[in-house]
Amino acid sequence: TQLLEQSPQFLSIQEGENLTVYCNSSSVFSSLQWYRQEPGEGPVLLVTVVTGGEVKKLKRLTFQFGDARKDSSLHITAAQPGDTGLYLCAGHRGDGNKLVFGAGTILRVKS
Amino acid sequence: DVKVTQSSRYLVKRTGEKVFLECVQDMDHENMFWYRQDPGLGLRLIYFSYDVKMKEKGDIPEGYSVSREKKERFSLILESASTNQTSMYLCASRGRREAFFGQGTRLTVV
Repeated sequence: TQLLEQSPQFLSIQEGENLTVYCNSSSVFSSLQWYRQEPGEGPVLLVTVVTGGEVKKLKRLTFQFGDARKDSSLHITAAQPGDTGLYLCAGHRGDGNKLVFGAGTILRVKS
Repeated sequence: DVKVTQSSRYLVKRTGEKVFLECVQDMDHENMFWYRQDPGLGLRLIYFSYDVKMKEKGDIPEGYSVSREKKERFSLILESASTNQTSMYLCASRGRREAFFGQGTRLTVV
């Protein structure tokens, strides 16, 4: 069982559509990160959220941290083919040095 | 630019061979990690190190060992490679929160 559950696992959409990816847990995290990974490469950090209720924007990407710091979401507006990739959420629980990952959401944006 | 460098992008090894995967970071981070990534399973933590010569088992340490003789270098060792260790291996270095990853090593054991 994953400590961080991501949904959906796969998403295939048309260019210009909006989408939301979810990252949920029953545990509280001191911070959550979102990464994007392209095939054959390592994950690249997109954002870190720390405060419950926090919202961060990165161009067309909006990240939200739940009030209870147990969940997070990533919303992409007007998706582009360049957004295609694997999106991973990761959390640090603050009770040690481990960083745990969700299984990821594979996003494919078709032109 | 921060940098985490893994020694090989692709490796093909035979069953029973001893395999070394090397990782170097230039950020003076204390924490370093080895993950393996398999379809549908996400990133699973093999081992991590929070200081030189210090290591802790992750979630799937069986069949692996690690070495951290210098702060910037963290090595993953497969003592006797098996086909079920065919995977993508990712090294990461972490500061206070965020992790920075290497480009990954695609290991195939035949």
